[in-house]
Amino acid sequence: AQRVTQPEKLLSVFKGAPVELKCNYSYSGSPELFWYVQYSRQRLQLLLRHISRESIKGFTADLNKGETSFHLKKPFAQEEDSAMYYCALRSNYQLIWGAGTKLIIKP
Amino acid sequence: DGGITQSPKYLFRKEGQNVTLSCEQNLNHDAMYWYRQDPGQGLRLIYYSQIVNDFQKGDIAEGYSVSREKKESFPLTVTSAQKNPTAFYLCASSPIPGLAVNEQFFGPGTRLTVL
Repeated sequence: AQRVTQPEKLLSVFKGAPVELKCNYSYSGSPELFWYVQYSRQRLQLLLRHISRESIKGFTADLNKGETSFHLKKPFAQEEDSAMYYCALRSNYQLIWGAGTKLIIKP
Repeated sequence: DGGITQSPKYLFRKEGQNVTLSCEQNLNHDAMYWYRQDPGQGLRLIYYSQIVNDFQKGDIAEGYSVSREKKESFPLTVTSAQKNPTAFYLCASSPIPGLAVNEQFFGPGTRLTVL
């Protein structure tokens, strides 16, 4: 069955520390993965997609097919990174979503 | 701001009543989606539509109905058959359904509470 797992409901790190938000997936086929972010009082929006191999706001995510993971990383966290982060997997015309991780950056 | 609008922001319903949530987009997107979001869970797909006058059930369609008479509108009706309708409802759209690089654009959401 297709599934996305984000094992951490809450992640709290200090400003300037590295951040890694975990995402594991289960999918038979070639996966297409995304990270979406929701800042306080803002809409859910796309952060990055693996197919673009981009870095957005200092975040990167590498698809590891061997470990079936798509972890989101940033070397130095900033206070404005505090938000809810969702990992999503494309399956046909749908996105399958993880439960989300709330990231809190402490000053 | 434009893009996708949802109304109302908050909605209260008595048990046994049907209620319709509005979703409108001015992005000229073909595909539209309805999700339900509950605490501690990811988004779950209720219905989606790839083109006008066509829509498909998502994972949790029971107790819900939709219509897509216009490209820009995709209203969701929560019927009395939905056993646990209290939730946050998100509408989204994307340019071309199924295209790998497509992102989904989200509305601000409607919080429905059944009294």
